[in-house]
Amino acid sequence: IVLTQSPGTLSLSPGERGTLSCRASQSVSRTYLAWYQQKAGQAPRLLIYGASTRATGIPDRFSGSGSETDFTLTISRLEPEDLAVYYCQQYGISPITFGQGTRLEIK
Amino acid sequence: EVQLVESGGGLVQPGGSLRLSCAASGFTFSGYKMSWVRQAPGKGLERVATITDNGGATSYADSVQGRFTISRDNSKNTLYLQMNNLRAEDTAVYYCARGGLAVVFDYWGQGTLVPVSP
Repeated sequence: IVLTQSPGTLSLSPGERGTLSCRASQSVSRTYLAWYQQKAGQAPRLLIYGASTRATGIPDRFSGSGSETDFTLTISRLEPEDLAVYYCQQYGISPITFGQGTRLEIK
Repeated sequence: EVQLVESGGGLVQPGGSLRLSCAASGFTFSGYKMSWVRQAPGKGLERVATITDNGGATSYADSVQGRFTISRDNSKNTLYLQMNNLRAEDTAVYYCARGGLAVVFDYWGQGTLVPVSP
């Protein structure tokens, strides 16, 4: 399954709302759709799993939604620390695949 | 506290071999699927290999099938990746992660760099 993320880069100001898209080439069970955050020089960190469930310790500014082939990660009230690349992943059908990432820039 | 610590990375020549290790602690290692994920410089994430909790089944990315072998020693709480016939395009940071098919990748190691160059 190919996951296509858009936009490639998103540039927003602190306090704004960010909407990141992940489109799958075929239907994905929402149970097996995750989002990860990767800051520069760090390992990826799990944000969202099951399309909409926040991982432990993730602030409620982060939310996930969607189903079948269209999924969205929303970051409300952007903070400077949200500067990172965000990846979606499907882990329900072999081979496990990741999207190419969306780079979030903070103005 | 869950911890995954990779080791074994380093410069290797094309055609060479390397074995990566991932030491796990803070959870019941034998109860979880485990995976290796790599990231080439400036690129995205690629799942390389996955192994079931008891080591009975493995799966690989097409790009490494036949060259890489994932294994585990549950008595030592350690995951391995044997990499043979390395190519320049295998240059990447290699992460171990807890998770696999139908199991989210909820914990990641800090990664180990494998440059493949003459």
